[in-house]
Amino acid sequence: GENVEQHPSTLSVQEGDSAVIKCTYSDSASNYFPWYKQELGKGPQLIIDIRSNVGEKKDQRIAVTLNKTAKHFSLHITETQPEDSAVYFCAANEGSSNTGKLIFGQGTTLQVKP
Amino acid sequence: KAGVTQTPRYLIKTRGQQVTLSCSPISGHRSVSWYQQTPGQGLQFLFEYFSETQRNKGNFPGRFSGRQFSNSRSEMNVSTLELGDSALYLCASSLEGGRGNTIYFGEGSWLTVV
Repeated sequence: GENVEQHPSTLSVQEGDSAVIKCTYSDSASNYFPWYKQELGKGPQLIIDIRSNVGEKKDQRIAVTLNKTAKHFSLHITETQPEDSAVYFCAANEGSSNTGKLIFGQGTTLQVKP
Repeated sequence: KAGVTQTPRYLIKTRGQQVTLSCSPISGHRSVSWYQQTPGQGLQFLFEYFSETQRNKGNFPGRFSGRQFSNSRSEMNVSTLELGDSALYLCASSLEGGRGNTIYFGEGSWLTVV
């Protein structure tokens, strides 16, 4: 089945710097790759997603890139702010089923120091 | 537009008891999925429902069950609770379910088993 690996597990950056989180997936049939931000005590909030027919997508300070050949995708946050501090999860849909099942990475704790 | 609503938010149960968690999807969404989140195992898929039918099931024992009603609202039940069932249970909804659909999460139900 699908497996998603996420790195790094923790990331500390200075306010204003960029942050990059990387994920790899195993199922070449996966075609949907969302990213979620989870703050303490809350549920995961969708921040950006990308589908396999697109190589890059940007939304203000957040961008995601997808390399289907290498089976990896990355989240890029520019001009980080303290409110970006949270746990970020990447996910991929299970390619073998026609359902919305998502397989998640283990998460990255991002700390943005003021 | 209201998001995914889960009730109750917090609950404490005793080993051996059972629990029922409720989820109201975003208005117009017909697919509901459930996930379990723990520090050790991360986010794991429990099951997905669409039009009152279970479309996919994760690798959890039969003590975990769910259902969906005609108004798309969903409930999940855990019987004979074990200490290891302590977790954040997340409900997610999407328009049609299926591969590639955008999935939104609720704030979750925190279950503690003592």
